[in-house]
This record gives sequence, C-alpha cells and structure tokens, in this order.
Amino acid sequence: DTGVSQNPRHKITKRGQNVTFRCDPISEHNRLYWYRQTLGQGPEFLTYFQNEAQLEKSRLLSDRFSAERPKGSFSTLEIQRTEQGDSAMYLCASSLQGELHFGNGTRLTVT
Amino acid sequence: KQEVTQIPAALSVPEGENLVLNCSFTDSAIYNLQWFRQDPGKGLTSLLLIQSSQREQTSGRLNASLDKSSGRSTLYIAASQPGDSATYLCAVRSISSGTYKYIFGTGTRLKVLA
Repeated sequence: DTGVSQNPRHKITKRGQNVTFRCDPISEHNRLYWYRQTLGQGPEFLTYFQNEAQLEKSRLLSDRFSAERPKGSFSTLEIQRTEQGDSAMYLCASSLQGELHFGNGTRLTVT
Repeated sequence: KQEVTQIPAALSVPEGENLVLNCSFTDSAIYNLQWFRQDPGKGLTSLLLIQSSQREQTSGRLNASLDKSSGRSTLYIAASQPGDSATYLCAVRSISSGTYKYIFGTGTRLKVLA
C-alpha cells in the first residue's frame, strides 16, 4: 500500500494558462474524489468517480474544469484558462469501504 | 442540505491536558463520520471512521463518539502532546444525498504548548 500519490506537488502558472494534475489512488480502491481547499477552510467537494464513471460534479466545477479517470485507475483534473481565484490546494482521495484516504495535494498558484 | 460545523475554530492548550473537539451536522441521517488530522501544507490523515451503527471508536489516545440523534460527534484527545498540534477536520456522508460525497467542516486548529 503506497498510499494516494498526487503530482505535481506545486504548480505556479500565469492567468489564462491550462494546468493538469494527476492522482494515483490506492490500487484496489474503486472510488476516487477531488476536493479543493483554500486557506483556513475545509475541503470543498468537486467531483467523484466510481471506477471510470464520473458520478457527481459540484456546481463549483465550472466549464473550465474537467476530470477523467480512464480505465478506472489514475485520474486527471484539468483547469483551462486559469484565473487567480483558482489558486488553492487540490486534494485527491480514494476509498473502497467508506474510509477516505488522501494524497498530499497539489498546490496551485495562479499569478 | 448537510452542513458541518466545528467549534472551536482554534484551541491552544498546555501539554498534558485532555481535550475535546466538537463536530455538529444538521442532517442526522448519515452513513458514517470520519475524523482527520491535517498538518500545514499537507494532505489529510485519517484518524477514525465511525459507522452510523456505532457509538464510538478508539485509537491509542484518541476516542471519537457519535450521537446521530443530536447531530454531534466529539473527538477526545488524552494527554495531549506538542506533536498533536495540527488542524482536525470531520467529514460526514449523508444518506439523503444518495451519493458517496463527503461534506467537511472548517476544522479546529489545535496548538499544544510544551
């Protein structure tokens, strides 16, 4: 069990650029979640997958955000035309029987 | 709509004290509740998971209780240590949402003074 892995750990980008983050869940976990966290706040739900199916998306996830989980393994979260308000920690979690296991997150800074 | 509240927002205690962190939720129909610890700049580490049929769970110096009818959970930390300093978050999965989505509180920032 190597845990949930997220890459990159940090990303600095200029406003208007596209960014993509990757999450590798614990290998046997069928559910994968993306959350966003800003300073001093709890994580906010963005979306989750069961195997390769994206089952729910938050209204926070605008048209600029897209997530995929091909073949039900790793997942990617892409943000197009980044805005300064997108600056946050993006957290990925996976689960099998209900207990969430998180990665260390990707910190995005949009300048 | 499920809402999760954690009080206090911040807490500072001397080393060795026993302390209680609170988590309240508005919709008592939940599948489970999970407590996490988060160190600055890091992801969340799972501490305890309580199923809706359980009243409490224990791990080492940590004990979490669940009272669904009142919409409350408490995390008890015995004999606190400076290494316990972190933000503690709770999250619930609601039955009414019909999904596997978890809703988080805003956390309690704990500082244990040596």
